[in-house]
Amino acid sequence: QQQVKQSPQSLIVQKGGISIINCAYENTAFDYFPWYQQFPGKGPALLIAIRPDVSEKKEGRFTISFNKSAKQFSLHIMDSQPGDSATYFCAAHTGNQFYFGTGTSLTVIP
Amino acid sequence: KAGVTQTPRYLIKTRGQQVTLSCSPISGHRSVSWYQQTPGQGLQFLFEYFSETQRNKGNFPGRFSGRQFSNSRSEMNVSTLELGDSALYLCASSLAPTGLNTEAFFGQGTRLTVV
Repeated sequence: QQQVKQSPQSLIVQKGGISIINCAYENTAFDYFPWYQQFPGKGPALLIAIRPDVSEKKEGRFTISFNKSAKQFSLHIMDSQPGDSATYFCAAHTGNQFYFGTGTSLTVIP
Repeated sequence: KAGVTQTPRYLIKTRGQQVTLSCSPISGHRSVSWYQQTPGQGLQFLFEYFSETQRNKGNFPGRFSGRQFSNSRSEMNVSTLELGDSALYLCASSLAPTGLNTEAFFGQGTRLTVV
């Protein structure tokens, strides 16, 4: 059973556009929500993270929007660049464990 | 400083065999977590070790086991390999046990193919 549901599975965006990836969860015990970026042949790297007492967090071109009542959170990549082409994973933490979404393959077309 | 090192990078094994994967965490990091990554399931947590003790275990059969040494290096063992064990196995290290303020740094993984 997938504890964190991620969509879409793949995404193609024009350079300069906005990329939006969504995640949903049911477990209200989750207390921390990071996003990871993974390039081919590399391990995932932490991109940005948010706690449920905050509705939005922005770091450069990357923004997390968090809706606690809807149990949803999303990653927005503004002014998407070809270098952003990678797989993105959302995750949620509770106890001693992270639960990951199934990933979104983002392709930014020049 | 050096990142998380996983060896070997690639491995081909036959069904029924066993395999041992190695992870050297970032210097000073005492927590090591292992994940299985497959296209359909994403990253799934296997187990976490801190100071040579297993702190948490995911929902995997007993064929999957691990250990951590006094220098924080960790090994993961899979016995009686099955075709479905083919995956990228990722190791993540952190200063402290997995928690709210703990950033995990991932290695490049070991690609295991079972034939």
